[in-house]
Amino acid sequence: EVQLVESGGGLVQPGGSLRLSCAASGFTFSSYWMSWVRQAPGKGLEWVANIKQDGSEKYYVDSVKGRFTISRDNAKNSLYLQMNSLRAEDTAVYYCARDRFDYGDYVGFDYWGQGTLVTVSS
Amino acid sequence: AIQMTQSPSSLSASVGDRVTITCRASQGIRNDLGWYQQKPGKAPKLLIYAASSLQSGVPSRFSGSGSGTDFTLTISSLQPEDFATYYCLQDYNYPFTFGPGTKVDIK
Repeated sequence: EVQLVESGGGLVQPGGSLRLSCAASGFTFSSYWMSWVRQAPGKGLEWVANIKQDGSEKYYVDSVKGRFTISRDNAKNSLYLQMNSLRAEDTAVYYCARDRFDYGDYVGFDYWGQGTLVTVSS
Repeated sequence: AIQMTQSPSSLSASVGDRVTITCRASQGIRNDLGWYQQKPGKAPKLLIYAASSLQSGVPSRFSGSGSGTDFTLTISSLQPEDFATYYCLQDYNYPFTFGPGTKVDIK
């Protein structure tokens, strides 16, 4: 059974840092792109970043470029999101999700974690 | 970034109704569009990918169509478990962008 379990959320002051983790199990983690998607309280979904299987390609939404870094450790079946210079507008539930491709064509986020809440407030 | 819009933003419907939600992209995205369902307090669920392909395990009452800039999600006969918020997502280029969502509730 595919499982994605996020951790590391919490309350942080503006300008602070936080590192989110996502533990993956039930599939060959090193074979999949992985993403972070967030959702501010009562708002819609926003894709944040994704990373290729070997970490050689990473993409970000403009609002987090230069502040957030996505990374992975395939030996530990884990995905990370290092968040620096946090702002109030980064307050959200952060989900990790598996990116699925079929024969080279992008399919979508076929598995999601339960999410971890990040609150940026003084 | 490609902007995605959805209409309506919300709708009220009854069990058994046919429901259609539209999604429009600010530029052509071929068929690089997915649809997601989200229930309160839960993670989203992939329903449709590549505009019209049904994700494994998703009931056949869900269907998608469209190409270029205009897309639709149709629920042929609304069931009680379908009351949720629906989002489209373009994966044509980075950054991936979601539509603002359409909330489907009980009439």
